[in-house]
Amino acid sequence: DAKTTQPTSMDCAEGRAANLPCNHSTISGNEYVYWYRQIHSQGPQYIIHGLKNNETNEMASLIITEDRKSSTLILPHATLRDTAVYYCIVRAPYQAGTALIFGKGTTLSVSS
Amino acid sequence: NAGVTQTPKFQVLKTGQSMTLQCAQDMNHEYMSWYRQDPGMGLRLIHYSVGAGITDQGEVPNGYNVSRSTTEDFPLRLLSAAPSQTSVYFCASGELTNEKLFFGSGTQLSVL
Repeated sequence: DAKTTQPTSMDCAEGRAANLPCNHSTISGNEYVYWYRQIHSQGPQYIIHGLKNNETNEMASLIITEDRKSSTLILPHATLRDTAVYYCIVRAPYQAGTALIFGKGTTLSVSS
Repeated sequence: NAGVTQTPKFQVLKTGQSMTLQCAQDMNHEYMSWYRQDPGMGLRLIHYSVGAGITDQGEVPNGYNVSRSTTEDFPLRLLSAAPSQTSVYFCASGELTNEKLFFGSGTQLSVL
């Protein structure tokens, strides 16, 4: 799996958009970008994933650069409940026998 | 819509005792897995299954057994608990074709 680099922490005001960057310059052609988050004392939660096109769902948007070397997760209207550690994972499909590598992630703090 | 259900949420064991952590999912997922999460270690894969009757070892299988008699259930057995197995355990399920995993809320286990 390609290595990812994320900022250690970010702050965001409630109601504003939170933009979380991730660098994955060694990504391979068949690897997807996945985002998960872990709220304190809870299990990781899947947010979104994409290959090369931008993706949007009810939780967030994922913007992947044209060269696929970086991506940004966008929470359009952050709330206090979005305070969590956000993990960017790059991974090829059909990898049942290997663990998802969560790394250190970005701690997002949303304040009122 | 229950998703992935883990029981119990908390457990304290004495060294040498055995117990089973339960995991059930109602999404008809072929893939199920067990992770443990320790401070500074990230999530590590213990065992996984790609369907009923099929299980295999992950990164840290020693001291744990699993079975998969039905699609829905994937229990994790600790045969003789050791203090090194003090951890938070997460069960996850998903489809085989991607890495979109659904995690349970975790079991916090302490072995004294």
